[in-house]
Amino acid sequence: SQTIHQWPATLVQPVGSPLSLECTVEGTSNPNLYWYRQAAGRGLQLLFYSVGIGQISSEVPQNLSASRPQDRQFILSSKKLLLSDSGFYLCASGPPRGGTDTQYFGPGTRLTVL
Amino acid sequence: DAKTTQPTSMDCAEGRAANLPCNHSTISGNEYVYWYRQIHSQGPQYIIHGLKNNETNEMASLIITEDRKSSTLILPHATLRDTAVYYCIVKGPWDTGTASKLTFGTGTRLQVTL
Repeated sequence: SQTIHQWPATLVQPVGSPLSLECTVEGTSNPNLYWYRQAAGRGLQLLFYSVGIGQISSEVPQNLSASRPQDRQFILSSKKLLLSDSGFYLCASGPPRGGTDTQYFGPGTRLTVL
Repeated sequence: DAKTTQPTSMDCAEGRAANLPCNHSTISGNEYVYWYRQIHSQGPQYIIHGLKNNETNEMASLIITEDRKSSTLILPHATLRDTAVYYCIVKGPWDTGTASKLTFGTGTRLQVTL
């Protein structure tokens, strides 16, 4: 089965500071990768997804960006954090082919922007 | 993808079966029913999925009505560790080279009590 690693687990950053969250996947090859965000008390919002190295699609306009430098590595970044960027960030891995959709989620990073 | 309707919250006594309903009256013939859950402060966890037939795995059973307009997730012997938000998602297959996008609604908050 797949294992999704995320770090750091928690992060407190000042407004205007940069951000880099990393996600790595074990136990699969060529996965689709996803970044979700969950604001406090809210549902999951899909931010980015990637179907391959260097291929990034954004779901919502924002000051965040994503990159996929390796097959099983997915990075979420920001040059200048906003207060509204606070939330629980989740990385997920899913199958690359159409069919059934069993996404596996990492443990998440809880980001607080002050 | 078809829309789903779930009760906001449910309670269940520990050791009893938890039956979580989901309505998906607009489901299409090629759409699967997926169940995920999210324990507090953790990433979502895949539970089970099905198309037409009832399904069972080590975690739960999924009962889908004959007309496929509703389904029930059954946790046969609920424990305190099953306290979580349970999401019912209806999703069809997607093309290779694209990404599947799961839409998590508000789900059902299941509280298992002693």
